[in-house]
Amino acid sequence: QLQLVQSGAEMKKPGASVKVSCKASGYTFIHYYMYWVRQAPGQGLEWMGMINPSGGSATYAQRFRGRISMTWDTSTRTVYMELSSLGSEDTAVYYCAREVGDDHMDVWGRGTTVTVSS
Amino acid sequence: QSALTQPASVSGSPGQSITISCTGTSSDVGNYNLVSWYQQHPGKAPKLMIFEVSKWPSGAFNRFSGSKSGNTASLTISGLQAEDEADYYCCSYAGSNIWVFGGGTKLTVL
Repeated sequence: QLQLVQSGAEMKKPGASVKVSCKASGYTFIHYYMYWVRQAPGQGLEWMGMINPSGGSATYAQRFRGRISMTWDTSTRTVYMELSSLGSEDTAVYYCAREVGDDHMDVWGRGTTVTVSS
Repeated sequence: QSALTQPASVSGSPGQSITISCTGTSSDVGNYNLVSWYQQHPGKAPKLMIFEVSKWPSGAFNRFSGSKSGNTASLTISGLQAEDEADYYCCSYAGSNIWVFGGGTKLTVL
């Protein structure tokens, strides 16, 4: 069935990097962009960026440029989001979400909790 | 890109109607009919409720409706039910493949 399965929780130290995966099933993987959205504890949703698994092009929110990278693997139908130079402010739940109709997110992963602490 | 502005909280009694506003600028909400709304219950992933300002996804939620005027989009929930109690977020296209969310509104059903 249509679903996005994300990797498990991560604990990282300040300055480290984290790579979160999102495995898609139930649809043609390369036909849909994937978005990444994060939510810090008690805070709202924040759009981080998007990637096209067909062409490979990615667009990142201004505040993450230079330390974020989104990649994909067609053979495993998986999208990855890597965030570097982690600080405590990066502690959040990270969601992947499928874009449909070029303008909204119809299927979401269950989220990956990333905790940054010394 | 600044977050869209939503009221922090709204409340209503069962059966009543409430409206949540989402104010942006002429660079995002005001320039595109690409506003979507998401419902999020505690500990859960967001769920699409409205897209392209006023359209319902499949498995429509007829009690939920959307509109837009100028730089402000709105989500109206009619016939409030206990299960509508959740956080609601608007999201708008802001040009150049960039998207921006609102700060979120906590809906309390009294």
